[in-house]
Amino acid sequence: AQRVTQPEKLLSVFKGAPVELKCNYSYSGSPELFWYVQYSRQRLQLLLRHISRESIKGFTADLNKGETSFHLKKPFAQEEDSAMYYCALKESGGSNYKLTFGKGTLLTVNP
Amino acid sequence: DAGVTQSPTHLIKTRGQQVTLRCSPKSGHDTVSWYQQALGQGPQFIFQYYEEEERQRGNFPDRFSGHQFPNYSSELNVNALLLGDSALYLCASSLVGGRMRIYEQYFGPGTRLTVT
Repeated sequence: AQRVTQPEKLLSVFKGAPVELKCNYSYSGSPELFWYVQYSRQRLQLLLRHISRESIKGFTADLNKGETSFHLKKPFAQEEDSAMYYCALKESGGSNYKLTFGKGTLLTVNP
Repeated sequence: DAGVTQSPTHLIKTRGQQVTLRCSPKSGHDTVSWYQQALGQGPQFIFQYYEEEERQRGNFPDRFSGHQFPNYSSELNVNALLLGDSALYLCASSLVGGRMRIYEQYFGPGTRLTVT
């Protein structure tokens, strides 16, 4: 069965420092990977997906199939980046709908 | 557009009771998924409804059932509540295109269920 692991429950950095939130997955097929973010008192929202290969709010994530990882990175963290971040996997195939989430990493960016 | 809405915001039930949670999808969306998020955990997929049918189900017992109405809104029903059912229940909507591709899922604010 597929699994998503986010090894860090908490991550604290200073403003302007680089940040990397780790995500590893186990899945035998070709997954779609996503990062979701939840800011304080807001709902869960999509941050980025690997198939788009885009940068959102300065964040990027590269799918590494060899290491089965999809780490989220930002070169210079901002205080407004403080939030809960979830990595999620969707199985390949048009009939597969479910997202499998990791347990999340709470990022705190200190001034 | 208010986005995905859920009701009620929170509720308290007693073990053994039954509960119904409601979800209205984002305007233009036709698919609703339900997730359970226990404290300190990520959301866990319960099931998804499209064209008023359950299309995929996660690892949840039959006590969890759902329904989708012609206007795409959805209900989640949980029977014979257990203490372990206490969680935040999230609804997410999306649009399934003509080629059955799942687009971005938009989440609602959730319903906080406490079972005592």
